[in-house]
Amino acid sequence: SQTIHQWPATLVQPVGSPLSLECTVEGTSNPNLYWYRQAAGRGLQLLFYSVGIGQISSEVPQNLSASRPQDRQFILSSKKLLLSDSGFYLCAWSRGLAGGTDTQYFGPGTRLTVL
Amino acid sequence: EDKVVQSPLSLVVHEGDTVTLNCSYEVTNFRSLLWYKQEKKAPTFLFMLTSSGIEKKSGRLSSILDKKELFSILNITATQTGDSAVYLCAVPYSGAGSYQLTFGKGTKLSVIP
Repeated sequence: SQTIHQWPATLVQPVGSPLSLECTVEGTSNPNLYWYRQAAGRGLQLLFYSVGIGQISSEVPQNLSASRPQDRQFILSSKKLLLSDSGFYLCAWSRGLAGGTDTQYFGPGTRLTVL
Repeated sequence: EDKVVQSPLSLVVHEGDTVTLNCSYEVTNFRSLLWYKQEKKAPTFLFMLTSSGIEKKSGRLSSILDKKELFSILNITATQTGDSAVYLCAVPYSGAGSYQLTFGKGTKLSVIP
């Protein structure tokens, strides 16, 4: 069976500091990978998705970036955090099925507070 | 622009009640609709609906899709406190890049003893 891991679970960072969140998936190969942010009182916002190693699509222009150095590893980074980067960050994976029937499965999330 | 609207935004019921959560959508090219349950952390997948009028069921939860009227409902019978969560509805983005999901804002269900 497949499992998805994220770490850290919680993080408190000062404004202007760098960020690195990691997500790994086990039990599948060549998954699609996604980063979402969920701000308080708001819906899930897709930040990045990847259909393969080194292939990253950005959905929202911002000071965040993503990388996929290995097939089942997805990293979310920032060089300088802003207050507005606070939120709950979720990683998800899917099999990449075509035809709009692809189910995304979410990791446990990282709660980021920027002070 | 694809749109997913859930109602109500929040709901408080007593244990044993039956609840119905609504999700309406506007997408150019509909292919499926997904329901998730989000407790304190990650959303967990409940159902994917692709065909109109066919009910998906899992225990006390069931869901049905109406492609003509562009909505889905999620029913929970004999609610328990463990059903308290935010229920999210999502549809695949109909533009280029078919793997993306457009989510509704969710319905927060609180079940009180």
